[in-house]
Amino acid sequence: GDSVTQMEGPVTLSEEAFLTINCTYTATGYPSLFWYVQYPGEGLQLLLKATKADDKGSNKGFEATYRKETTSFHLEKGSVQVSDSAVYFCAHKAAGNKLTFGGGTRVLVKP
Amino acid sequence: GAVVSQHPSWVICKSGTSVKIECRSLDFQATTMFWYRQFPKQSLMLMATSNEGSKATYEQGVEKDKFLINHASLTLSTLTVTSAHPEDSSFYICSAGDSNQETQYFGPGTRLLVL
Repeated sequence: GDSVTQMEGPVTLSEEAFLTINCTYTATGYPSLFWYVQYPGEGLQLLLKATKADDKGSNKGFEATYRKETTSFHLEKGSVQVSDSAVYFCAHKAAGNKLTFGGGTRVLVKP
Repeated sequence: GAVVSQHPSWVICKSGTSVKIECRSLDFQATTMFWYRQFPKQSLMLMATSNEGSKATYEQGVEKDKFLINHASLTLSTLTVTSAHPEDSSFYICSAGDSNQETQYFGPGTRLLVL
């Protein structure tokens, strides 16, 4: 069945470090791919998305490229800030408009 | 941008009572809304899909009579936790799809604590 797998956290970084969160998926067809971010005590916010192969989603310095050949959608940011501390969820939307989420990766950025 | 609100943001209730949570799309019409449950430090679990004007579609293992969903208009869906028990304590999050259903926008969540 459809699934999303992302690296387990927590990921602890220093400010200005490079962040990568791996995400791979299984799905029939060609799903749309998303990264959502959840700040403490809040709901999810859409961070970026890509709807077809080789598309690159970007927002707030974060980027992810839809790689069909590796079924991956890794999230990257070149220089993290303390305010980037949050939980990041990779997700895909296949048939039926349902989102399938990965387990979430907690990121902690220290000053 | 698309905004989804939830009310209340926090609710504490006694065991055996029912709690209603509202989910509203503020600046767009949502024919489909989704209800999720999230346990501490875990991912979101889809509970049900709420369709305007028709019965909700529940995921396997979710009790329909326990979690009543009503989607009475294109901007409002409600989740009622009936006869709540401590194990129902959780973070409940709704989402709504935009016009082409490509992106889901999430509400801020409702934290339920059943004593």
